[in-house]
Amino acid sequence: GQQVMQIPQYQHVQEGEDFTTYCNSSTTLSNIQWYKQRPGGHPVFLIQLVKSGEVKKQKRLTFQFGEAKKNSSLHITATQTTDVGTYFCAGPDSNSGYSTLTFGKGTMLLVSP
Amino acid sequence: NAGVTQTPKFQVLKTGQSMTLQCAQDMNHEYMSWYRQDPGMGLRLIHYSVGAGITDQGEVPNGYNVSRSTTEDFPLRLLSAAPSQTSVYFCASSAAGTANTEAFFGQGTRLTVV
Repeated sequence: GQQVMQIPQYQHVQEGEDFTTYCNSSTTLSNIQWYKQRPGGHPVFLIQLVKSGEVKKQKRLTFQFGEAKKNSSLHITATQTTDVGTYFCAGPDSNSGYSTLTFGKGTMLLVSP
Repeated sequence: NAGVTQTPKFQVLKTGQSMTLQCAQDMNHEYMSWYRQDPGMGLRLIHYSVGAGITDQGEVPNGYNVSRSTTEDFPLRLLSAAPSQTSVYFCASSAAGTANTEAFFGQGTRLTVV
């Protein structure tokens, strides 16, 4: 079945260091979405990428969608303690007729001051 | 603007008890879903609905029932709770399918089955 994989599972950085999480799908995706979940919180939508090779930026966050639309990355420049949380990528789930999202297992980011 | 509201926020059940997790959204979204989140497992789809009166199973439906009698509400029923159902449950809604819309999540229900 369709799978979305994320690496690394966990990363601990010092404040000011950069961070990248990678997402790979077993199938081509029409779009990919990224969510952030703070500790004890719920997932919150960050962005959606639709076009092959698309790059979008939100302040220190850079999101990229691969040319084949099967992979994506999230890069955070100069991390801050407010970046702590788990970052999930998600793609349309073929098993539900693309009515729902299938999520990667997430990358947990810990930032030490 | 309430968005997606889940109740209760915390619950402890004994094995074999039944209960209903409530989910309501005020955004007139057609699509609603229930996910469970376990450590290291990400978010796994339990059941989903594409509109009132229409529901379907997700990846991990066993032990759960749903119904969708109105656009606003999508309750999740645990028929006979088991320790394996200890988890955090999230309800989500979106305006349409996943094509071009974000999913809005509720605050979650943290369920412990003893």
